[in-house]
Formats: sequence, structure tokens, C-alpha cells
Amino acid sequence: SFDLTQPPSVSVSPGQTASITCSGDKLGDKYTSWYQQKPGQSPVVIIFLDEKRPSAIPERFSGSTSGNTATLTVSGARPEDEADYYCQAWDRNTVVFGGGTKLTVL
Amino acid sequence: EVRLVESGGGLVQPGGSLRLSCAASGFTLSSYAMSWVRQAPGKGLEWVASISGTDGRTYLADSVKGRFAMSRDSAKNTVFLQMNRLRVEDTATYYCAQWHTTNWYYEGGTFDFWGQGTLVSVSS
Repeated sequence: SFDLTQPPSVSVSPGQTASITCSGDKLGDKYTSWYQQKPGQSPVVIIFLDEKRPSAIPERFSGSTSGNTATLTVSGARPEDEADYYCQAWDRNTVVFGGGTKLTVL
Repeated sequence: EVRLVESGGGLVQPGGSLRLSCAASGFTLSSYAMSWVRQAPGKGLEWVASISGTDGRTYLADSVKGRFAMSRDSAKNTVFLQMNRLRVEDTATYYCAQWHTTNWYYEGGTFDFWGQGTLVSVSS
């Protein structure tokens, strides 16, 4: 089966840059999406097609890929960016999510 | 405005059944593939099932094959998840989500819109 691996947690100071990785076998051959989920809320897509950002998402969120690792970067992190982040890829008629990364801004 | 409203969750005993509904508005179901994604308490997201907008073909995660079925009623613009032989490990919030395209078979797809979720608790 296809698995996506994320670090359980990442910490960043306000105004600094945070990077969250997502790795998987042959992930470089697939497209990655990223979702933000705040406590008690539904997930929201923040990056799709590896690097594209929906119009309502702030520019400080960006996505990139290198080899079999996708990276979500939060530049100039704000306290309101504290949330869980999930990567996602489509593989042979199934969708796979990473285990999620809790981003702490402190 | 796209809106997805789930209903039908509740407490059920192991081995029991539930039928979840997701009422869609702001778009036509046949124009998009639709999915169910669940999240166990304090855990991550898990894809459960999808239905293609074009032909209504369904796809299920291995963990629910043979027990769950997804369907839709185009006249009511509603998708359903019939859950049979429920297990304790099926306890989760179940989200309805709209896929980016009509066809489920799209490698670049993403879940553009999500409902608020409905909680299913399986316990004796």
C-alpha cells in the first residue's frame, strides 16, 4: 500500500518560517495537496497540484516537491496558523493522507 | 455557494447499521466526484469512499469493503454512506467532501469543499 509520512509535530516562533515534510514512495510521480485543520473545524485545502494555492489562502503558505518529498512552507508564521496539517495524494483509485503534523506557533 | 450538510450519525452497537446522508447545494452532484472521509477521535484523516460524478461508479477503502456502500440520489442532490456490520474502530467523525473534478480518476485531485461532519460512535 501507498503511505505518506509526516513529522508528528513542528514548532516555529512567530514571524519565522516553518517547513512540514511529507514523504512517500514515488510521491514525486504524483500530485500532493495540503490541508489545514483547526480544532473543532473541518479541513481546508491550502495547496493543491503540489504548489498551487486557492485564491483565499494567504501567500505565506507555499508548496514544493523534490524527489519523493513534498514540503509545505509557512513563511512568517502567525499565531492563527497553529493547526494540524495533512498532506494527501491520489493513488490507484484511492486517496491517501499523511498522518498529520501539528504546527505550534510559540 | 457550495454547501455540504451531513446527517445520520449517532450511537450504534457493534454489528449494527447506520446510513449517513450528505445534502449538497450550490452545485450539481453529477458534475463532481464526491467522497466520505473520516477522522477517529484525536486521530488523522482517512479516506473511506468515493463516487464518480460521470458514471456513479463507487470506490471503497479496503478497511470498509464488503461492509459500506456509497450511493447518490441526483434528484435530491444527496449522497449516502450505508454502513453495515459496524465495528468499534469505525467510530469517527464522517465528513462529506467534494472532489475537484467530475471524474474520480484524476491524479491531481483535491477535496475542495468539506461538510461539518457527523459523529458515528460504535459502542456496546
